[in-house]
Amino acid sequence: GEDVEQSLFLSVREGDSSVINCTYTDSSSTYLYWYKQEPGAGLQLLTYIFSNMDMKQDQRLTVLLNKKDKHLSLRIADTQTGDSAIYFCAGLGRALTFGSGTRLQVQP
Amino acid sequence: NAGVTQTPKFQVLKTGQSMTLQCAQDMNHNSMYWYRQDPGMGLRLIYYSASEGTTDKGEVPNGYNVSRLNKREFSLRLESAAPSQTSVYFCASSVEAGTSGTPEKFGPGTRLTVT
Repeated sequence: GEDVEQSLFLSVREGDSSVINCTYTDSSSTYLYWYKQEPGAGLQLLTYIFSNMDMKQDQRLTVLLNKKDKHLSLRIADTQTGDSAIYFCAGLGRALTFGSGTRLQVQP
Repeated sequence: NAGVTQTPKFQVLKTGQSMTLQCAQDMNHNSMYWYRQDPGMGLRLIYYSASEGTTDKGEVPNGYNVSRLNKREFSLRLESAAPSQTSVYFCASSVEAGTSGTPEKFGPGTRLTVT
């Protein structure tokens, strides 16, 4: 089955760009997703990319997919304190397989 | 349009007790899912129901049963709770399991503690 790995923690200053990385093992995942989870809350879908795309941009969010290296990244431009949360990447097989999450801390 | 709702929000059980977690969606989605989230980990799939009348095991099904009561509702039952089942449980739904960019929408979660 799918195995998805993420780095655990990222700290940035407000206004900087954040880049959260993810690697996955199952190249048959049709879609790859980024979810955001704030403390005590459920998961909020941020964006997703189809597996035949290299890049997707959505306002402050840019997703890059390197299929050869099975590497997915999420770039958040102009990071704000409200972006502080845990970010999960997930691959779609029959259901979602999640990474363990990256905690993003934004310092004022 | 409430999306995905879960009850209860919090629950404390003693070891050996049973309970059912309820989930409902009002988006006319075909597929529904139950995940658990342990501290410092991502979500792991317990069971899913690709369509009304079908259920399948996920990654961590032991100790759980599910019922797809109708298209809207998908319940998760713990027959004899164990401390290892202390977790936050999320229900999700999607238009069709495993297909297209119709991402799963998640409920707010049920925080379960087993003592």
